Amino acid sequence: KAGVTQTPRYLIKTRGQQVTLSCSPISGHRSVSWYQQTPGQGLQFLFEYFSETQRNKGNFPGRFSGRQFSNSRSEMNVSTLELGDSALYLCASSLRLAGREQYFGPGTRLTVT
Amino acid sequence: DQQVKQNSPSLSVQEGRISILNCDYTNSMFDYFLWYKKYPAEGPTFLISISSIKDKNEDGRFTVFLNKSAKHLSLHIVPSQPGDSAVYFCAASLLTQGGSEKLVFGKGTKLTVNP
Repeated sequence: KAGVTQTPRYLIKTRGQQVTLSCSPISGHRSVSWYQQTPGQGLQFLFEYFSETQRNKGNFPGRFSGRQFSNSRSEMNVSTLELGDSALYLCASSLRLAGREQYFGPGTRLTVT
Repeated sequence: DQQVKQNSPSLSVQEGRISILNCDYTNSMFDYFLWYKKYPAEGPTFLISISSIKDKNEDGRFTVFLNKSAKHLSLHIVPSQPGDSAVYFCAASLLTQGGSEKLVFGKGTKLTVNP
């Protein structure tokens, strides 16, 4: 069974631009969660989608948004990029709604200049 | 507000010896705890977990201990191998108001096992 895939793997953007990241969960998994990883803060939860609905949200500004499609694929969008948004963005999928054992993708490394 | 804390950013041990990674938490509502391992350029992979009703869970070379009264858990790796060199994240699961569970991660501890 294929693992969680994320595209693109690397991205360079400038301040003020917007970006869209994509995540394809493991086949059959309906829950997709997004995390931001930075050296100083570790993994921070962004949001979780299940059956095309956002079920949980972390403490991030409204510039961070997402959505999930009927095939469970998910996208994350960040508008008006700031230098501090430079991070590794990880997507994780699980069979059921949130928690417990999640399967992570390799991440998208976003650099904002 | 860091609810899950890994106070040691790094740990170095000799091959064959025991590695002990520690994690403290502040929220007594956490009901499940997990350890993830992360290699560079890869996403975290699930390693081992423990329910809050237990105090020990063992899987091969990996054992997780939970001390609820101290709000502390630890991961023991015996014997340590160079391939264990990675960043280890402690995570705790919390039931949210919406009825789902949310994972809260620590900042990670970088383990280096020297040959």
